[in-house]
Amino acid sequence: AQRVTQPEKLLSVFKGAPVELKCNYSYSGSPELFWYVQYSRQRLQLLLRHISRESIKGFTADLNKGETSFHLKKPFAQEEDSAMYYCALSGRGPPRLTFGEGTQLTVNP
Amino acid sequence: EPEVTQTPSHQVTQMGQEVILRCVPISNHLYFYWYRQILGQKVEFLVSFYNNEISEKSEIFDDQFSVERPDGSNFTLKIRSTKLEDSAMYFCASRGDRDGYTFGSGTRLTVV
Repeated sequence: AQRVTQPEKLLSVFKGAPVELKCNYSYSGSPELFWYVQYSRQRLQLLLRHISRESIKGFTADLNKGETSFHLKKPFAQEEDSAMYYCALSGRGPPRLTFGEGTQLTVNP
Repeated sequence: EPEVTQTPSHQVTQMGQEVILRCVPISNHLYFYWYRQILGQKVEFLVSFYNNEISEKSEIFDDQFSVERPDGSNFTLKIRSTKLEDSAMYFCASRGDRDGYTFGSGTRLTVV
């Protein structure tokens, strides 16, 4: 079974502060991990996938297999980062995404 | 950049009516999906479709739901007899062999 846990439903930081959105997963194998962002209940937009190791909009995420985590980080949060963030996993077999509960990030001025 | 397109963006229907939600996946993608997001809740997997058949479905995807790829471009989700609890945002997604998952902008279904 594949499972994604985002322990924080809400996260509030001030502009310019570092931000970390936590994600832990459960999967017996080597999964693909993703972060999606959703602004104001619009479409889900791919932010990061672990295999590409890119930095998008200043966000990075490192897959830690020992801790089964894929936390999303940004050193200096901006107001436009306020959105819902979903961590998601895709395992082997027929590919499909399993989403976490999501974390609503609010960046205050 | 290629997009997944969904129509309509908003559908209001009476309880018991049939609805068809439409999606045009990215043309060279092979896997197609429907997800659902009830207001305030997380995104839930409904069904995946590959090689013209369902490859996996969740327990939400009961006999009231069906999917079809009627031609080379469209991918539809049909709900036979809608219930109030079917009110949600429905997202279509597609995936190629080497790509990530690309989502459409969603159809907001309201059952009254």
